[in-house]
Amino acid sequence: ELKVEQNPLFLSMQEGKNYTIYCNYSTTSDRLYWYRQDPGKSLESLFVLLSNGAVKQEGRLMASLDTKARLSTLHITAAVHDLSATYFCAVGAASGTYKYIFGTGTRLKVLA
Amino acid sequence: DAGVTQSPTHLIKTRGQQVTLRCSPISGHKSVSWYQQVLGQGPQFIFQYYEKEERGRGNFPDRFSARQFPNYSSELNVNALLLGDSALYLCASSEGQWGYEQYFGPGTRLTVT
Repeated sequence: ELKVEQNPLFLSMQEGKNYTIYCNYSTTSDRLYWYRQDPGKSLESLFVLLSNGAVKQEGRLMASLDTKARLSTLHITAAVHDLSATYFCAVGAASGTYKYIFGTGTRLKVLA
Repeated sequence: DAGVTQSPTHLIKTRGQQVTLRCSPISGHKSVSWYQQVLGQGPQFIFQYYEKEERGRGNFPDRFSARQFPNYSSELNVNALLLGDSALYLCASSEGQWGYEQYFGPGTRLTVT
């Protein structure tokens, strides 16, 4: 059974600091997605990573994928309060049928 | 362009009843996926439809069913509702079947009493 684990589950950080969220998954996949969710809202797509070594950056967020290690990271540079949200990674699995498995989420709070 | 739309926004049902949720994808998108998100948890994948055919299924009982129409809109049906079905139901659309960015709708909040 495909499992997706994120850590940390909760992250409280000061503005201006850097930090990394980790996403580990248990089966072979080269489809890795990152989403942001604000309280009471739907999900916003941040990144789609489709190959080993893929790196994408948008503003203060950078995501990478290592399919051999079954690991994706979401790096936050010089955090600002507006980045406070819950971040999910999701893995796509295709073995006869398609499935998308989400991680547990990382609740990020950036303190001013 | 309009994003993904879902209806209704909120819904209250009684145990044992049946419910139908609706989703309209972004224009030009041919794939629709459905997710259930219980409060405090990550979304759980229910179904994916592409070109009106089921292409993916999560670990949900047969009480859950869906279909996609020729205009690529979709319905999710849940029969014999249980208290545990109370959740936010999210619909996502994408251009293609696999590996494409998914755009989520605002969701339907279902409460089962």
